[in-house]
Order: sequence, then C-alpha cells, then structure tokens
Amino acid sequence: DQQVKQNSPSLSVQEGRISILNCDYTNSMFDYFLWYKKYPAEGPTFLISISSIKDKNEDGRFTVFLNKSAKHLSLHIVPSQPGDSAVYFCAASTLTGANSKLTFGKGITLSVRP
Amino acid sequence: NAGVTQTPKFRILKIGQSMTLQCAQDMNHNYMYWYRQDPGMGLKLIYYSVGAGITDKGEVPNGYNVSRSTTEDFPLRLELAAPSQTSVYFCASSSPGQGSSYEQYFGPGTRLTVT
Repeated sequence: DQQVKQNSPSLSVQEGRISILNCDYTNSMFDYFLWYKKYPAEGPTFLISISSIKDKNEDGRFTVFLNKSAKHLSLHIVPSQPGDSAVYFCAASTLTGANSKLTFGKGITLSVRP
Repeated sequence: NAGVTQTPKFRILKIGQSMTLQCAQDMNHNYMYWYRQDPGMGLKLIYYSVGAGITDKGEVPNGYNVSRSTTEDFPLRLELAAPSQTSVYFCASSSPGQGSSYEQYFGPGTRLTVT
C-alpha cells in the first residue's frame, strides 16, 4: 500500500513558467514532508521541507504548500529553469518516531523546455 | 568534507555470489540508512541504524545484512545474490533532533546487476 503517492509520472513546462508538482499521502501520522531532486547517476539532494504545523514554506524559487485536511502537498517552482529538469521525489516522515524514516513517492520527471 | 561516499559505483554479480556495498559519512551523523531504487519506483528502505551497534530492518530487508561498528561506516552485505536484487542502492545519513533539520544526505549510489 503506497503511503506517499505522486500520481503524475512526468511534467513538461516552458522555461520561465511555473512548475507545480503534486503529492498525496494516506498516513495521517506523517508530520514532516520533504522534496528531493535527483539528476541521473547521482543521489537525491534535499530541496525543501515543511512541518505539519505550517501550510507554506518558501526558499527562493521553491515553495511547498501543505493541505493537511486533503493530505496533499505541492511544490511550486517559479520561474522554472532548464537546470530544474530532474526527477523530484516527495517524502514523508513522523518526527515523533525514533528513527526519522522517510517514505518516498515514485517521483515525477520534470522537463523544462528552453 | 566528502559527505556520504559509496563504493563501488557499479558492480555485476552472478547469481549466488556475495558482496559488500560500502558506505561512509564524515558528517558525524548518528543515523544512517540503506535504500534501493528500482526503475520507475521510489526509494525503499532496506535497513537503518540510529547509532553505532544499533541496526533495524526497514521495508525490504530480505536478502541483506548490515552492521554498524563505527559512527562513520554502514556496510550492506548481500549474501546470495538474486536477480531480484538488481537495483540502484543509496546510502544516506542524517542527524535529526540535534538543532538541525530532518533531511537525509545521500551518497551517489551503487548500480548493481545480478545475472
């Protein structure tokens, strides 16, 4: 049973436009959410996170929105750049756990067209 | 500061062979993790460790073993390789709850093929 779902496998946007990547979760115990970016042949790199006590967190061009009632989060990239082309993973965790394990979605491949 | 390093980068094994995937981190992180990523899938947790001498199973531990004798190193052992273990393996570390955020830092991965 997938607890973190990224239902769209890919997204293509024009350079300069907004990219919106969506993620849904089913486990109501999750209280911390992260986005990772992954280039081919490299390990995932941390992008941005949000705690369940917030509904928005912003870092430069990247903003994550959390809707707890809908169990939904989204990553907004504005403006999108060709270097943003990568696979984006949504991940969730429970801060109260003793191990901070992450549960990952399957990822979304973002292509930013010049 | 190298972060998380993994060796080897690539390996081809025959069915039934054994090998150890090496992972080391120089960030003095207490927590370390092993994940595998199959094509088109997310990362699945194999084993994790919250400190030297302490390990526990993740979501997909069958066919693997780990040990954690030092804070820096967290090797993953495959005893009898099977084609189902063909995957990309990622090691990660973190330092949650120590004044830092909860993100995990990943190594570059080991691509393993079992034929």
